[in-house]
Formats: sequence, C-alpha cells, structure tokens
Amino acid sequence: NAGVMQNPRHLVRRRGQEARLRCSPMKGHSHVYWYRQLPEEGLKFMVYLQKENIIDESGMPKERFSAEFPKEGPSILRIQQVVRGDSAAYFCASSVNRAGRGNQPQHFGDGTRLSIL
Amino acid sequence: DQQVKQNSPSLSVQEGRISILNCDYTNSMFDYFLWYKKYPAEGPTFLISISSIKDKNEDGRFTVFLNKSAKHLSLHIVPSQPGDSAVYFCAASSDDKIIFGKGTRLHILP
Repeated sequence: NAGVMQNPRHLVRRRGQEARLRCSPMKGHSHVYWYRQLPEEGLKFMVYLQKENIIDESGMPKERFSAEFPKEGPSILRIQQVVRGDSAAYFCASSVNRAGRGNQPQHFGDGTRLSIL
Repeated sequence: DQQVKQNSPSLSVQEGRISILNCDYTNSMFDYFLWYKKYPAEGPTFLISISSIKDKNEDGRFTVFLNKSAKHLSLHIVPSQPGDSAVYFCAASSDDKIIFGKGTRLHILP
C-alpha cells in the first residue's frame, strides 16, 4: 500500500529557473492538495485539485505558480522564474473524499524541499 | 489573520507524564478538527480527529477535547513516550480546505 509519493525530495534551482514538483496520490484517492511550509511556520494551503479540475486555488500566489492533476499521471506544482522567497518545503496530500473529513483524513507525502540559489 | 492558533511553540514533558497541547480557533464554521504529528524530514501523519458535534474523542493514549464555547481544543497524550517527541499541528476543516496552526514542538524528557 504505497502512500503519497512526492519527488524529488530535494530540488535546487537558480533564480529565474523553473521548478516542477510531482505528487502521486495514494491509490483510490482522487483529491489532491498542495501546501507550503516556510521555516518555523505551519502548513499553508495552496491549491486543491480533483482529476483534471482545480477546485480551490485561493492559496496560490497570483503569478508564477500553477498546478495540474491530469487524467493520467501525477499532480504537478509548477513554479516559473523562481525567486529566493520560494525556498520552502512543499507538501502534497491526498484524500478519499473532499477536504479529508473526519475518519477519512488527508494523507501527506514526505515533501519536496526546494532551495533557490 | 490566523484562524488556527497554537500559542506554545514548544513544550517539554517528562516521560510517563501527561502531555497537553492546546489550540484555539476563530471560525465557528469549522466542522472537523484534526491533530497531525510530524517528524523532521517527513510529512505530517494523521493522529486523531473530532467532529464539532462531539466534545471528546479517544484513541489509545491520545484524547482530543473540544470546547466549542471557548473555541478551544486540546490533545492529551498519556503516558508520554520518547517516540512522541515531534511537532504537533492542530488543524480545522470546513468546505474544501484544512487550516493548520504553526505547530508545537513536543520534547519528551527521559
């Protein structure tokens, strides 16, 4: 029973480059969430997706960030023209039902640590 | 504007004693509350949750108490064990998203 798989675990980019973070949800989960954690901070919601649909992107910065969850393949969080402030841990979670209610919580991957040089 | 607040960044407890982690929230529309535990370099793992219509939920050594009038919940761990040393996140859910607190780092002392 594979859990939520994120790759890469660590990603180093120079300012101005693009970062692509991948997330494969748990088997049977069709709801995917992306969170960002800055040092000494909690997890900040970014975006909620179901297959081929963005349900809620209220936590996504307006520029440079995008997310998708295609019919086939993993969910991708894409950051264009990265800046130093994008350095953070990015976590993906998946759930069976909407927002991981009650006894069906969100299950998290181990995150991608993004470092911008 | 923090909707979920964990006011203690860290807490140290003697092994075998009770650990009590606190959490306050501001939005009365939250309908589920959850606790997650996180070890360094790993993702958060779900511990226990409680519906807003309940005031207590227990699972082994872990009990969550909810006081809706005070908009306060707490996680009790008893007895505390060395493996409980981690960061604990309180979270609250409504509609499509879950809002997390900043976490409390729990140190279990030998």
